[in-house]
Amino acid sequence: TQLLEQSPQFLSIQEGENLTVYCNSSSVFSSLQWYRQEPGEGPVLLVTVVTGGEVKKLKRLTFQFGDARKDSSLHITAAQPGDTGLYLCAGERGGSTLGRLYFGRGTQLTVWP
Amino acid sequence: ETGVTQSPTHLIKTRGQQVTLRCSSQSGHNTVSWYQQALGQGPQFIFQYYREEENGRGNFPPRFSGLQFPNYSSELNVNALELDDSALYLCASSWDRVAYNEQFFGPGTRLTVL
Repeated sequence: TQLLEQSPQFLSIQEGENLTVYCNSSSVFSSLQWYRQEPGEGPVLLVTVVTGGEVKKLKRLTFQFGDARKDSSLHITAAQPGDTGLYLCAGERGGSTLGRLYFGRGTQLTVWP
Repeated sequence: ETGVTQSPTHLIKTRGQQVTLRCSSQSGHNTVSWYQQALGQGPQFIFQYYREEENGRGNFPPRFSGLQFPNYSSELNVNALELDDSALYLCASSWDRVAYNEQFFGPGTRLTVL
């Protein structure tokens, strides 16, 4: 059972469109991280959000952490073919599980030119 | 600065065999975590090593074991392989066991069990 539910699982869009990926849980996290994974490679960290309600921007990517620290979203504006990849959210709960990441199932994004 | 490396890249084994996967952590990192990523799934935490001691374990049976060496490199051993053990095994290293600490992932070892 995944502690973090990620949706949608697959997303296929045209270049220039906007999209949002959601990451939801019934559990509270001390931090939420978003990764991007390319075929044959390990996940690469995009951003870490730690405060409820926090919004971070990375060029065309906007990340938000829910007020209750149970959910997060990733919004991409004007998607480009280079954005294609597997996007993973991962939460850290702290305490006795410090350093342990709970991953969602991932969203496979394909952006067509 | 060398990133996280893993060996081998690919491995094919048969049921019942044993396998050892290796990970070299990024320079200066003393914490290594192992994850299993089945096809179409997100990575699942196996265990973490901090300064040569196991420091946290996920929901994996005892036939999954590990080691961390004085140079902070690490091994993952799996005994009595089962078909469901087929997956991408990821190693991640970080500097110290603190909150919000970025974990740097290696490229993974693709294990196929026939």
